[in-house]
Amino acid sequence: AQTVTQSQPEMSVQEAETVTLSCTYDTSESNYYLFWYKQPPSRQMILVIRQEAYKQQNATENRFSVNFQKAAKSFSLKISDSQLGDTAMYFCAFMKPPGPDKLIFGTGTRLQVFP
Amino acid sequence: NAGVTQTPKFRILKIGQSMTLQCTQDMNHNYMYWYRQDPGMGLKLIYYSVGAGITDKGEVPNGYNVSRSTTEDFPLRLELAAPSQTSVYFCASISQPGLAGQETQYFGPGTRLLVL
Repeated sequence: AQTVTQSQPEMSVQEAETVTLSCTYDTSESNYYLFWYKQPPSRQMILVIRQEAYKQQNATENRFSVNFQKAAKSFSLKISDSQLGDTAMYFCAFMKPPGPDKLIFGTGTRLQVFP
Repeated sequence: NAGVTQTPKFRILKIGQSMTLQCTQDMNHNYMYWYRQDPGMGLKLIYYSVGAGITDKGEVPNGYNVSRSTTEDFPLRLELAAPSQTSVYFCASISQPGLAGQETQYFGPGTRLLVL
């Protein structure tokens, strides 16, 4: 069975600085997807970024980028130029296609951005 | 498109009561999911459905039932509420299962349930 581990329960960063959130996973599959979801105080789950395991290039979305190390089974999220609105819980998640495409979540990292 | 909608937003139940959490999506997605999120934890899968009339258990199905009579709706039923079911419940649907680059789940806003 696949597992996802986020070893940092809480992190903090000053506004405009860069922070990296860690995620490791365990799987014997070669084809899979990895995601980072953001959950602000409103509790809405918001997709931040996704990575396909067959792609060597790390995914980027504006200020968010990942460092995907397939051999090490590591999938960290880097937030550049942190903003107050980045304050939220961040969840790493694993999905093994094809169907039923269930998500397996880590326990989350609470990120606080200070002015 | 409204996306994935859930009702109610918040509910208090007494032990032993029953209720149905509603989930509707207007994106014509075939795959739908119910997750629960306990305080300080990640989400865990309760049930999922790959199309109308087809449902299956996830990781934590005990105490819940689902049905899928239409593509749009995927209600979650609690028959005998217990304090252990106090949680936040999320419904989700997927855009294009099996289509590379499209397997992204979109979540509803959640239902907070308190069982006393």
